[in-house]
Amino acid sequence: DADVTQTPRNRITKTGKRIMLECSQTKGHDRMYWYRQDPGLGLRLIYYSFDVKDINKGEISDGYSVSRQAQAKFSLSLESAIPNQTALYFCATSHTEGLLPRDYGYTFGSGTRLTVV
Amino acid sequence: SQQGEEDPQALSIQEGENATMNCSYKTSINNLQWYRQNSGRGLVHLILIRSNEREKHSGRLRVTLDTSKKSSSLLITASRAADTASYFCATAPNDYKLSFGAGTTVTVRA
Repeated sequence: DADVTQTPRNRITKTGKRIMLECSQTKGHDRMYWYRQDPGLGLRLIYYSFDVKDINKGEISDGYSVSRQAQAKFSLSLESAIPNQTALYFCATSHTEGLLPRDYGYTFGSGTRLTVV
Repeated sequence: SQQGEEDPQALSIQEGENATMNCSYKTSINNLQWYRQNSGRGLVHLILIRSNEREKHSGRLRVTLDTSKKSSSLLITASRAADTASYFCATAPNDYKLSFGAGTTVTVRA
């Protein structure tokens, strides 16, 4: 099983629909992130969570919300999907030891390809 | 806004040649990381270099960091077809939230 699992892998939805993307991890990491990737723009941070009770907006949070249901689960919702939210969405995790993150890089899921028509 | 910018945007090389790509960033960092992404898949962490390090090696990868110029380079030696991918630099400022560049697409020709 993958360390970071994202569901669904692909989704086509209609404008105005609410959709939830789910992420679960078996790494035991405390930090979780949602990024979106658009061609030519790299990855942009939507939301991040440093622990279950700590959720923060990233650079492009408008139109999105998140829920950290448990240390291992972090879901992203599009309240009312619009076509420019068509993108590849990635969940990632990292670990904090003591007061500082461990410098071991992020672990990414395989992504959810979302198309809003 | 993106912190890092990779150069070139695309690179095509012959198998066995070396591939070099560069990353420039804007603000002070705690560390800089390189990731690889195979077509539409998740990113895979390749190597991390801390702000007090100048060079790091991992297998066929060599990373340099020049904090005075706010730049880094990634060298892949003796490239293989399996190295065909997009490569991203990511910078970690003091709050440790990674910021990614737009990536360099590397094509290795057989």
